[in-house]
Amino acid sequence: GAVVSQHPSWVICKSGTSVKIECRSLDFQATTMFWYRQFPKQSLMLMATSNEGSKATYEQGVEKDKFLINHASLTLSTLTVTSAHPEDSSFYICSAPNPAGGGGEQFFGPGTRLTVL
Amino acid sequence: DAKTTQPPSMDCAEGRAANLPCNHSTISGNEYVYWYRQIHSQGPQYIIHGLKNNETNEMASLIITEDRKSSTLILPHATLRDTAVYYCIVRVGGGNAGNMLTFGGGTRLMVKP
Repeated sequence: GAVVSQHPSWVICKSGTSVKIECRSLDFQATTMFWYRQFPKQSLMLMATSNEGSKATYEQGVEKDKFLINHASLTLSTLTVTSAHPEDSSFYICSAPNPAGGGGEQFFGPGTRLTVL
Repeated sequence: DAKTTQPPSMDCAEGRAANLPCNHSTISGNEYVYWYRQIHSQGPQYIIHGLKNNETNEMASLIITEDRKSSTLILPHATLRDTAVYYCIVRVGGGNAGNMLTFGGGTRLMVKP
């Protein structure tokens, strides 16, 4: 079946550095992808909607200049956490709609665990 | 999208059926009920969805009450690998626009030997 991959699966970085996370749809095209963030023992929170060929749509309270999203092709979206700080440490998950599904079916990536020291 | 209410946690014996309830009393006529699960430190996995009829697939069955104000996800023979957080999500179905999912707290299902 369709698969969504993420790279890297985990990353540790120093405070102030930038980190790029890739989300790929492996055998289908995705004009839209979604980025979620999940803190320990909490639910997933939608951060932004990534749109191929246009600007991302950010949820209220998410800083667009800090979390840069680029949907470079129909199979790749990237999330760059700029000037990361310890409070950005979280589990970042992307998803893409199932092209054969009826709207609410999403394929989720395995997640990227970011730890900022 | 309609708000859902789920118990925060449930236990189930291995091999027995796990019945996970969800309340969605404010559901609208064009909203579907979706179920996802998230095994620890992994991305969520789609399980099943339905509008008003009961649905069954290789993973689970979904029972939706006639008034659509609540539903139950049934795992017929729970295994240890079914230990996960189960999310009930109500959203408008169809089309690609606005495919975002809003996750609530979910139910943490613990399957015990």
